[in-house]
Amino acid sequence: ETGVTQTPRHLVMGMTNKKSLKCEQHLGHNAMYWYKQSAKKPLELMFVYNFKEQTENNSVPSRFSPECPNSSHLFLHLHTLQPEDSALYLCASSQGDRGGNQPQHFGDGTRLSIL
Amino acid sequence: GENVEQHPSTLSVQEGDSAVIKCTYSDSASNYFPWYKQELGKGPQLIIDIRSNVGEKKDQRIAVTLNKTAKHFSLHITETQPEDSAVYFCAASENSSYKLIFGSGTRLLVRP
Repeated sequence: ETGVTQTPRHLVMGMTNKKSLKCEQHLGHNAMYWYKQSAKKPLELMFVYNFKEQTENNSVPSRFSPECPNSSHLFLHLHTLQPEDSALYLCASSQGDRGGNQPQHFGDGTRLSIL
Repeated sequence: GENVEQHPSTLSVQEGDSAVIKCTYSDSASNYFPWYKQELGKGPQLIIDIRSNVGEKKDQRIAVTLNKTAKHFSLHITETQPEDSAVYFCAASENSSYKLIFGSGTRLLVRP
Protein backbone atom coordinates (compact mmCIF):
# COMPACT_ATOMS: atom_id res chain seq x y z
CA GLU A 1 0.00 0.00 0.00
CA THR A 2 1.45 3.40 -0.95
CA GLY A 3 -1.19 5.50 0.82
CA VAL A 4 1.27 6.56 3.55
CA THR A 5 4.87 7.16 2.48
CA GLN A 6 7.76 7.63 4.89
CA THR A 7 11.26 8.87 4.09
CA PRO A 8 13.99 8.00 4.61
CA ARG A 9 13.50 4.25 5.14
CA HIS A 10 16.77 4.01 7.06
CA LEU A 11 18.71 6.63 9.02
CA VAL A 12 21.94 6.40 10.97
CA MET A 13 22.91 9.43 12.99
CA GLY A 14 25.21 10.48 15.78
CA MET A 15 23.90 11.76 19.08
CA THR A 16 24.76 15.37 18.24
CA ASN A 17 23.20 15.39 14.76
CA LYS A 18 19.93 17.01 13.71
CA LYS A 19 17.75 15.18 11.23
CA SER A 20 14.08 15.01 10.21
CA LEU A 21 11.71 12.20 9.33
CA LYS A 22 9.02 12.84 6.75
CA CYS A 23 5.59 11.33 6.28
CA GLU A 24 3.11 11.99 3.48
CA GLN A 25 -0.37 10.53 3.09
CA HIS A 26 -2.46 10.37 -0.09
CA LEU A 27 -5.65 9.08 1.51
CA GLY A 28 -7.45 12.36 2.12
CA HIS A 29 -7.21 11.88 5.88
CA ASN A 30 -7.07 14.67 8.43
CA ALA A 31 -5.48 12.93 11.43
CA MET A 32 -1.84 11.89 11.47
CA TYR A 33 0.22 10.01 14.06
CA TRP A 34 3.78 9.20 15.05
CA TYR A 35 4.49 5.86 16.75
CA LYS A 36 7.70 4.32 18.08
CA GLN A 37 8.24 0.57 17.68
CA SER A 38 11.07 -0.91 19.73
CA ALA A 39 12.09 -4.54 19.92
CA LYS A 40 10.00 -6.55 22.39
CA LYS A 41 7.76 -3.58 23.25
CA PRO A 42 4.25 -2.67 22.08
CA LEU A 43 3.85 0.17 19.61
CA GLU A 44 3.96 3.44 21.54
CA LEU A 45 1.93 6.43 20.42
CA MET A 46 4.06 9.59 20.41
CA PHE A 47 2.00 12.38 18.84
CA VAL A 48 -1.41 12.92 17.24
CA TYR A 49 -2.38 15.75 14.92
CA ASN A 50 -5.97 16.38 13.85
CA PHE A 51 -6.57 19.04 11.20
CA LYS A 52 -2.98 20.24 11.75
CA GLU A 53 -3.51 20.75 15.50
CA GLN A 54 -1.60 18.62 17.99
CA THR A 55 -4.13 16.76 20.12
CA GLU A 56 -1.86 14.28 21.88
CA ASN A 57 1.70 14.35 23.21
CA ASN A 58 2.34 11.09 25.01
CA SER A 59 5.01 12.46 27.37
CA VAL A 60 7.60 12.43 24.59
CA PRO A 61 11.03 13.97 25.37
CA SER A 62 11.61 17.39 23.83
CA ARG A 63 14.45 16.03 21.66
CA PHE A 64 11.59 14.85 19.42
CA SER A 65 9.77 17.78 17.82
CA PRO A 66 6.79 17.16 15.51
CA GLU A 67 5.55 19.47 12.79
CA CYS A 68 2.34 19.23 10.76
CA PRO A 69 2.22 21.96 8.09
CA ASN A 70 -0.94 20.55 6.47
CA SER A 71 -3.17 17.50 6.71
CA SER A 72 -1.07 15.54 4.20
CA HIS A 73 2.38 16.02 5.68
CA LEU A 74 3.94 15.23 9.04
CA PHE A 75 7.52 15.66 10.15
CA LEU A 76 9.48 14.49 13.17
CA HIS A 77 12.53 16.66 13.89
CA LEU A 78 15.27 14.91 15.83
CA HIS A 79 18.14 16.43 17.81
CA THR A 80 20.52 15.26 20.50
CA LEU A 81 19.10 11.74 20.49
CA GLN A 82 20.15 8.93 22.81
CA PRO A 83 21.06 5.33 21.92
CA GLU A 84 17.74 4.13 23.42
CA ASP A 85 15.96 6.17 20.74
CA SER A 86 17.05 3.64 18.13
CA ALA A 87 13.80 2.10 16.86
CA LEU A 88 11.37 1.92 13.96
CA TYR A 89 9.36 5.14 13.71
CA LEU A 90 5.97 4.66 12.13
CA CYS A 91 3.60 7.25 10.73
CA ALA A 92 -0.13 6.61 10.40
CA SER A 93 -3.20 8.51 9.24
CA SER A 94 -6.97 8.25 9.69
CA GLN A 95 -10.16 10.13 9.01
CA GLY A 96 -10.19 13.08 11.40
CA ASP A 97 -13.65 14.46 10.81
CA ARG A 98 -15.53 11.57 12.47
CA GLY A 99 -13.84 11.76 15.86
CA GLY A 100 -11.54 8.99 16.95
CA ASN A 101 -11.94 5.25 16.53
CA GLN A 102 -11.25 5.31 12.81
CA PRO A 103 -8.99 2.79 11.08
CA GLN A 104 -5.39 3.93 11.11
CA HIS A 105 -3.26 3.29 8.02
CA PHE A 106 0.47 2.94 8.57
CA GLY A 107 3.52 3.67 6.47
CA ASP A 108 6.47 1.26 6.35
CA GLY A 109 8.48 3.26 8.85
CA THR A 110 11.94 4.77 9.21
CA ARG A 111 14.52 2.49 10.85
CA LEU A 112 16.58 4.86 13.03
CA SER A 113 19.95 3.91 14.49
CA ILE A 114 21.75 6.22 16.93
CA LEU A 115 25.50 5.76 17.15
CA GLY B 1 -5.26 4.06 31.48
CA GLU B 2 -5.95 1.22 29.09
CA ASN B 3 -3.76 -1.87 29.12
CA VAL B 4 -3.89 -4.60 26.45
CA GLU B 5 -2.46 -8.08 27.02
CA GLN B 6 -1.88 -10.39 24.04
CA HIS B 7 -1.24 -14.16 23.98
CA PRO B 8 0.55 -16.18 22.84
CA SER B 9 3.74 -14.33 21.95
CA THR B 10 4.62 -16.99 19.36
CA LEU B 11 2.41 -19.49 17.56
CA SER B 12 3.42 -22.22 15.13
CA VAL B 13 0.77 -24.09 13.13
CA GLN B 14 0.70 -26.50 10.22
CA GLU B 15 -0.56 -25.16 6.92
CA GLY B 16 -4.32 -25.67 6.73
CA ASP B 17 -4.83 -25.58 10.50
CA SER B 18 -6.52 -22.74 12.38
CA ALA B 19 -4.76 -20.12 14.47
CA VAL B 20 -6.26 -18.21 17.39
CA ILE B 21 -4.75 -15.14 19.06
CA LYS B 22 -6.31 -13.69 22.21
CA CYS B 23 -6.26 -10.24 23.77
CA THR B 24 -7.66 -8.81 26.98
CA TYR B 25 -8.20 -5.16 27.78
CA SER B 26 -8.63 -3.35 31.07
CA ASP B 27 -10.79 -0.29 30.34
CA SER B 28 -14.50 -1.07 30.01
CA ALA B 29 -14.92 2.23 28.10
CA SER B 30 -12.92 0.85 25.15
CA ASN B 31 -15.16 0.19 22.18
CA TYR B 32 -12.97 -0.13 19.08
CA PHE B 33 -10.69 -3.13 18.53
CA PRO B 34 -8.56 -3.38 15.37
CA TRP B 35 -6.15 -6.15 14.39
CA TYR B 36 -2.98 -5.51 12.41
CA LYS B 37 -0.61 -7.77 10.47
CA GLN B 38 3.02 -6.73 10.18
CA GLU B 39 5.34 -8.44 7.71
CA LEU B 40 9.11 -8.12 7.84
CA GLY B 41 10.27 -4.69 6.71
CA LYS B 42 6.72 -3.36 6.46
CA GLY B 43 4.40 -1.27 8.58
CA PRO B 44 1.34 -2.73 10.32
CA GLN B 45 -1.56 -3.40 7.96
CA LEU B 46 -5.15 -3.32 9.23
CA ILE B 47 -6.76 -6.70 8.54
CA ILE B 48 -10.02 -6.50 10.47
CA ASP B 49 -11.64 -4.43 13.20
CA ILE B 50 -14.68 -4.70 15.44
CA ARG B 51 -16.73 -2.24 17.44
CA SER B 52 -18.38 -2.97 20.75
CA ASN B 53 -21.90 -3.04 19.33
CA VAL B 54 -21.22 -6.40 17.62
CA GLY B 55 -19.93 -9.69 18.97
CA GLU B 56 -18.38 -11.16 15.84
CA LYS B 57 -17.14 -10.07 12.43
CA LYS B 58 -15.89 -12.19 9.57
CA ASP B 59 -13.91 -11.50 6.40
CA GLN B 60 -13.15 -14.63 4.36
CA ARG B 61 -10.65 -16.69 6.42
CA ILE B 62 -10.36 -14.11 9.19
CA ALA B 63 -12.81 -13.57 12.04
CA VAL B 64 -12.77 -11.54 15.24
CA THR B 65 -14.92 -12.18 18.32
CA LEU B 66 -15.55 -9.78 21.19
CA ASN B 67 -16.72 -10.56 24.71
CA LYS B 68 -17.41 -7.22 26.37
CA THR B 69 -18.34 -8.75 29.71
CA ALA B 70 -15.05 -10.59 30.00
CA LYS B 71 -13.16 -7.78 28.23
CA HIS B 72 -11.44 -10.00 25.74
CA PHE B 73 -11.35 -10.33 21.97
CA SER B 74 -9.80 -12.90 19.68
CA LEU B 75 -8.54 -13.24 16.11
CA HIS B 76 -9.29 -16.48 14.30
CA ILE B 77 -7.54 -17.45 11.06
CA THR B 78 -8.81 -20.57 9.33
CA GLU B 79 -7.11 -22.66 6.64
CA THR B 80 -3.79 -20.98 7.33
CA GLN B 81 -1.32 -20.47 4.49
CA PRO B 82 2.44 -19.78 4.60
CA GLU B 83 1.77 -16.17 3.57
CA ASP B 84 -0.16 -15.72 6.82
CA SER B 85 3.21 -15.89 8.62
CA ALA B 86 3.77 -12.46 10.21
CA VAL B 87 3.47 -10.60 13.51
CA TYR B 88 -0.13 -9.83 14.52
CA PHE B 89 -1.08 -6.98 16.86
CA CYS B 90 -4.36 -6.32 18.62
CA ALA B 91 -5.30 -2.85 19.86
CA ALA B 92 -8.05 -1.11 21.82
CA SER B 93 -9.37 2.43 21.83
CA GLU B 94 -11.85 4.42 23.89
CA ASN B 95 -14.88 6.09 22.40
CA SER B 96 -13.91 9.10 20.27
CA SER B 97 -10.28 8.67 21.21
CA TYR B 98 -7.45 8.90 18.69
CA LYS B 99 -5.27 6.87 21.02
CA LEU B 100 -4.78 3.18 20.16
CA ILE B 101 -3.23 0.98 22.85
CA PHE B 102 -1.48 -2.01 21.28
CA GLY B 103 -0.78 -5.50 22.53
CA SER B 104 2.78 -6.80 22.47
CA GLY B 105 2.29 -8.87 19.31
CA THR B 106 2.10 -12.55 18.29
CA ARG B 107 4.58 -14.02 15.86
CA LEU B 108 2.69 -16.55 13.74
CA LEU B 109 4.59 -19.16 11.75
CA VAL B 110 2.66 -21.32 9.30
CA ARG B 111 4.68 -24.42 8.42
CA PRO B 112 4.22 -25.72 4.85
